[in-house]
Amino acid sequence: GENVEQHPSTLSVQEGDSAVIKCTYSDSASNYFPWYKQELGKRPQLIIDIRSNVGEKKDQRIAVTLNKTAKHFSLHITETQPEDSAVYFCAATSNTGKLIFGQGTTLQVKP
Amino acid sequence: NAGVTQTPKFQVLKTGQSMTLQCAQDMNHEYMSWYRQDPGMGLRLIHYSVGAGITDQGEVPNGYNVSRSTTEDFPLRLLSAAPSQTSVYFCASSRRGGYNSPLHFGNGTRLTVT
Repeated sequence: GENVEQHPSTLSVQEGDSAVIKCTYSDSASNYFPWYKQELGKRPQLIIDIRSNVGEKKDQRIAVTLNKTAKHFSLHITETQPEDSAVYFCAATSNTGKLIFGQGTTLQVKP
Repeated sequence: NAGVTQTPKFQVLKTGQSMTLQCAQDMNHEYMSWYRQDPGMGLRLIHYSVGAGITDQGEVPNGYNVSRSTTEDFPLRLLSAAPSQTSVYFCASSRRGGYNSPLHFGNGTRLTVT
């Protein structure tokens, strides 16, 4: 079945540094790859998404890249700030409707 | 516009009891789903629905039932609660054609089974 692996599970960076989180997926039919941010005690919220016909997408300090051949995609956060500290989840889905999440990455940005 | 509303926010059950977690959305979204969140395991899909009258199993469906009689509501039933079902449960919805569009999550239900 579908599977999404996410690494690393925890990531600690200094404020101003970049952070990269990587995910791999197993279903070659997957065509939509969103990223969600979950602050402590709150619900997950979408921060960026990418579709399979696009290789890269950027929104201010956040970017996502997709390599369909290798079946992996990555989240890049530049100029990190303390408010970026949260748990980040990648996910993947095909047209079946099953949106499968990775295990999550806890990002800590130290001032 | 309330978005996705989950009730209750907290619940404690004894092993063997049954209950229903309620989920309602007022955005006319076709797609609805239930996830459970456990430490270190991310969000795991329990059941999902691509429209009224249609449901399907996710990654961890055992011990849970769902139905989708209306577009707005997608209740999750625990048939006979077990301690392994202690978790935070999130309901989420997205628009028509919606598995390829952003999920809107509810605030979650924290369930403890003793």
